[in-house]
Amino acid sequence: QVQLVESGGGVVQPGRSLRLSCIASGFTFSTFGMHWVRQAPGKGLEWVALISYDGSNKEYAVSVKGRFTISRDNSKNTLFLQMTSLRPEDTAVYYCARLPLTGTFDYWGQGTLVTVSS
Amino acid sequence: QSALTQPPSASGSPGQSVTISCTGTSSDVGGYNYVSWYQQHPGKAPKLMIYEVSKRPSGVPDRFSGSKSGNTASLTVSGLQAEDEADYYCSSYAGSNNFYVFGTGTKVTVL
Repeated sequence: QVQLVESGGGVVQPGRSLRLSCIASGFTFSTFGMHWVRQAPGKGLEWVALISYDGSNKEYAVSVKGRFTISRDNSKNTLFLQMTSLRPEDTAVYYCARLPLTGTFDYWGQGTLVTVSS
Repeated sequence: QSALTQPPSASGSPGQSVTISCTGTSSDVGGYNYVSWYQQHPGKAPKLMIYEVSKRPSGVPDRFSGSKSGNTASLTVSGLQAEDEADYYCSSYAGSNNFYVFGTGTKVTVL
């Protein structure tokens, strides 16, 4: 079955960096686009970034553009989110999600919590 | 890009129906048939319930249905069951500038 497992979250000071990972299994990772979506505590969902199946196309939400970088290693079935210049408003649970079709997030990981605080 | 507008809450008794609206603009909901709906129980990851406005993934009960008219999409849950109590979010593709936008979320309570 499809599984997505995020890791790398934690507590970090404002201005510092953090890298999240998402290990995929149960499907051919190299043939699917992938997303990162976040959810601040008690708040709604916010789309963060997407990457095409081969990594050639990457897109970002305005709120993270220039600070976050999405990447993937298809040989290791792993998706990454490099986050720099972190701000308190980046505090959220970060989910990776699969993109089988335009507009659809069909499988989600369990999420990893990032807390940006001094 | 502003979030899509959903009512904060909705409720119904077991067996009844509840409909949740999701209002956007012609740049997102009204411009594309790429509206999806997600169910989220407390502390859990979202689960896809409806995609491309009205299509149900395998395993989702046919009690869940979706539709769209103009800039507003809707999710209807018929024959409410206790396990349907959760937060529901809509989402829409918003073109090659803004890509994806989510709704504000609706908490469904089964009375």
